[in-house]
Formats: sequence, C-alpha cells, structure tokens
Amino acid sequence: GQQVMQIPQYQHVQEGEDFTTYCNSSTTLSNIQWYKQRPGGHPVFLIQLVKSGEVKKQKRLTFQFGEAKKNSSLHITATQTTDVGTYFCAAFWRGSQGNLIFGKGTKLSVKP
Amino acid sequence: SAVISQKPSRDICQRGTSLTIQCQVDSQVTMMFWYRQQPGQSLTLIATANQGSEATYESGFVIDKFPISRPNLTFSTLTVSNMSPEDSSIYLCSAGLGGGELFFGEGSRLTVL
Repeated sequence: GQQVMQIPQYQHVQEGEDFTTYCNSSTTLSNIQWYKQRPGGHPVFLIQLVKSGEVKKQKRLTFQFGEAKKNSSLHITATQTTDVGTYFCAAFWRGSQGNLIFGKGTKLSVKP
Repeated sequence: SAVISQKPSRDICQRGTSLTIQCQVDSQVTMMFWYRQQPGQSLTLIATANQGSEATYESGFVIDKFPISRPNLTFSTLTVSNMSPEDSSIYLCSAGLGGGELFFGEGSRLTVL
C-alpha cells in the first residue's frame, strides 16, 4: 500500500495565488524528498529534508518537514504558469529495501 | 548530477512480444532503479538493478516478467516480457549517486496492442 499519502490530488489556481501540497506518513520518516514533473517530462529532484522541523526555501517555494518527521509540505507563493506540473513527495521506506517510494502527487494547473 | 539516456523513447508492440529498454548514465552511479508510471499516475518502483548480480524486485514484480540486467556501473536494461495491454505504461530508469536524490531518464512510453 501507499506509504506516503499526498493531498490534494489536483489543484487549480489563478496565476498569482498561492499553492500548497501536503504529504503524510503513518510512520516516522528518515527524510523526505520533493520532485516536480512537468507535463510530458520526467521527475526532477527539488529538495531533500532531513531534520525535524526543517524549513528550506527555493525562491518562491518553501518546503517544511514536520517536527515528528511524519509530514511535509510544499508551498508556492504567487504561482506562475511555469509552476504547472505534478509535485511528488517521496520517502525511503524500509519495506522496500530502503528504496524511494513516491506519493501519488499533486497536479497543479495555473490559469493565466 | 547524472544525465540518463533511455531508448527507445516510445514503442508500439504486439501482445505476446517482448521489448528491452536500455538505460545509459553518463557517469558511474551506485544505484540504478526502474520505475513504472501509468499516465497521470504516480511512480511505482519495479526493481533495483544491482551491478553484477540479480535485480531486487518489489512486491508484485517478478524476474520472469521484468528481467533486468546491469553489467556495469553506467548501464542497465529492463525487458518487458510476454506483453499484454496492461503493460502499456511509461518506464523510467533512474540513478542515484549516493546523496539520496534520484535522477531520471526521459522515460520509455510503451503501448501494447
């Protein structure tokens, strides 16, 4: 079964609005990664969070790792049409020989 | 970083046939993986390609259906055997350098008729 639950599945926003996607796990995660996949493209690594309560920023993107290391979020401020794509969280899961397992993703569409 | 080349980029195959997808990395990498992605869906890990030994398969995937080779640190192949329409998907090769992040190839889009 899915080890990391991601919501929402879809998000439609007007350009300039903010966007947030959430990732939750029932177990404590060693770390969590975020990837972006543009339509027709392949996943591209964005960031890795390791520490409890960690917050990292990349321009308009803010990534957070929960204090209990069971949840994470990606927030985009003032979305642009270039932000369109699917955002996946991914975590290493012991049940998969420690390999990277992906959430279902949040598909973001931005209306100009 | 690593640049990953996959071929074919897409193919249309007949039911019952087999197709081998090749994955070439521009540098030696410690880990290589094969994922499957249905259109509009998430990535599902098929197996870890182990250099010089048998691949490690995830639950629901078996060697007879998805034989994998990895003869060296820069190359791997995935074969989809005895294909059925349910195998229609995008197959993605990925590589890790040891820092945790994965780099992905462009994917091979397979359609089985």
